[in-house]
Amino acid sequence: QSVLTQPPSVSAAPGQKVTISCSESTSKVGNNYIYWYQQLPGTAPKLLIYDNNKRPSGIPDRFSGSKSGTSATLGITGLQTGDEADYYCGTWDSSLSCWVFGGGTKLTVL
Amino acid sequence: QVHLQESGPGLVKPSETLSLTCSVSGDSISRFYWSWIRQPAGKGLEWIGLIYSSGKFNYNPSLKSRVTMSVDTSKNQLSLKLSSLTAADTAVYYCARDRGYPDFWGQGTRVTVSS
Repeated sequence: QSVLTQPPSVSAAPGQKVTISCSESTSKVGNNYIYWYQQLPGTAPKLLIYDNNKRPSGIPDRFSGSKSGTSATLGITGLQTGDEADYYCGTWDSSLSCWVFGGGTKLTVL
Repeated sequence: QVHLQESGPGLVKPSETLSLTCSVSGDSISRFYWSWIRQPAGKGLEWIGLIYSSGKFNYNPSLKSRVTMSVDTSKNQLSLKLSSLTAADTAVYYCARDRGYPDFWGQGTRVTVSS
């Protein structure tokens, strides 16, 4: 069982906004940063957000990240059909000295 | 632009040892940490471990008894060995550059454990 909990699925219409949550289920993660990855069907994961809310070069500002306490949120505005993918949050578990991922959230753009 | 390419046998038998290689181009392997991550079909991501060019490593506690990672700086390659394979090790295996977090991933190589 992951220490990071995500909803299995979310959906929204094109042009709308969606949020995906990532909640820490234990106290082990502490104040570590949260990272978000997008995995399009049949491809490798791609870094979307690092250090809670920073975007790597080339990631559009439609994607945003935030963190408050033990919960983090990925926001996507102006949804496009090309955003249909699995989204994973991840962080470093200091107590295990191990990287952990959430279970992933499948985004459907209706 | 860094490019990572995993390679491996594709099919391995139960109880055997899996050996995978990740070839890195476009960057020096000595500059960063490097992670291995796997994903069973239809399932989520599982971090296997990471290694630095000095040989310093950190393995997932759930796998550490079966994992060995190494780096060949002369070839700009990483290697992963996973022993005592079972069907549960069937997955796509990715290598990734790690800057404190996996930031750039290879395309992955599919491994099936079956007799």
